[in-house]
Amino acid sequence: EAGVAQSPRYKIIEKRQSVAFWCNPISGHATLYWYQQILGQGPKLLIQFQNNGVVDDSQLPKDRFSAERLKGVDSTLKIQPAKLEDSAVYLCASSQRQPDTQYFGPGTRLTVL
Amino acid sequence: KQEVTQIPAALSVPEGENLVLNCSFTDSAIYNLQWFRQDPGKGLTSLLLIQSSQREQTSGRLNASLDKSSGRSTLYIAASQPGDSATYLCAANNNAGNMLTFGGGTRLMVKP
Repeated sequence: EAGVAQSPRYKIIEKRQSVAFWCNPISGHATLYWYQQILGQGPKLLIQFQNNGVVDDSQLPKDRFSAERLKGVDSTLKIQPAKLEDSAVYLCASSQRQPDTQYFGPGTRLTVL
Repeated sequence: KQEVTQIPAALSVPEGENLVLNCSFTDSAIYNLQWFRQDPGKGLTSLLLIQSSQREQTSGRLNASLDKSSGRSTLYIAASQPGDSATYLCAANNNAGNMLTFGGGTRLMVKP
C-alpha cells in the first residue's frame, strides 16, 4: 500500500514570496490533515478536511495561509506572502475515518530567508 | 485548551537498557492517546494508540500505559537497541474528530 506522498521535499524562498505544497493521501482515506512542525517542537494542526469539506481550521493563519482539497483526494497548502517565522516542516497526514490512526507523509521542509 | 508535555526532552542510554518516556496532559477528557516515532528528516510513524477506556497497549518491545485521572502516559521500551534512536512524540486526541495535540517530543539516543 502506497503511503502519503508530499512534494516538494524541500523549498527555499525569500520572505514575501508565495509557496505551495502538495499532498496525496493514502487511497480511500477520507480525512486529511496539514500540520506545521517548527524545529524542536511537536507538530501543530493547521487544518483538517473530511472528504472535501473543512472540519477544523481554527489554527490556520487565514490572512496568509490557504488550503483546498478538490474532489476529496489531493490537497494543496499555500502560503502568501511568506514570513520568516513560517520556516518549518509541513506535514500531511491521512486517516481512513475519525477517529483512527493517522499516517504521515515525509513532509516538506520550508526555509524562508 | 489541551497542553501536552514530554519530559525529558532528550535521553541517552546504553544499548540493552529498559527505559521509560513520560507524557503529561492537562485535560483528562481525552478520546485516545497516541505515541509516534519520528526519524530525522522523515514523517511520523504511529507506534501505539490507547483508547480512553484502556489502561495499556503493547507492541513487541513497546508498552504504553494511560492514567487519565493523573493526566499521564508512559512509553516503556524494553531492551533498547541503537535502531530505537529517534524522537518519540505523544499526542492527545480530545474528540472523535481526531484532532491531535502533540507534546514537544523526547529525543532518544541508544549507544552501542
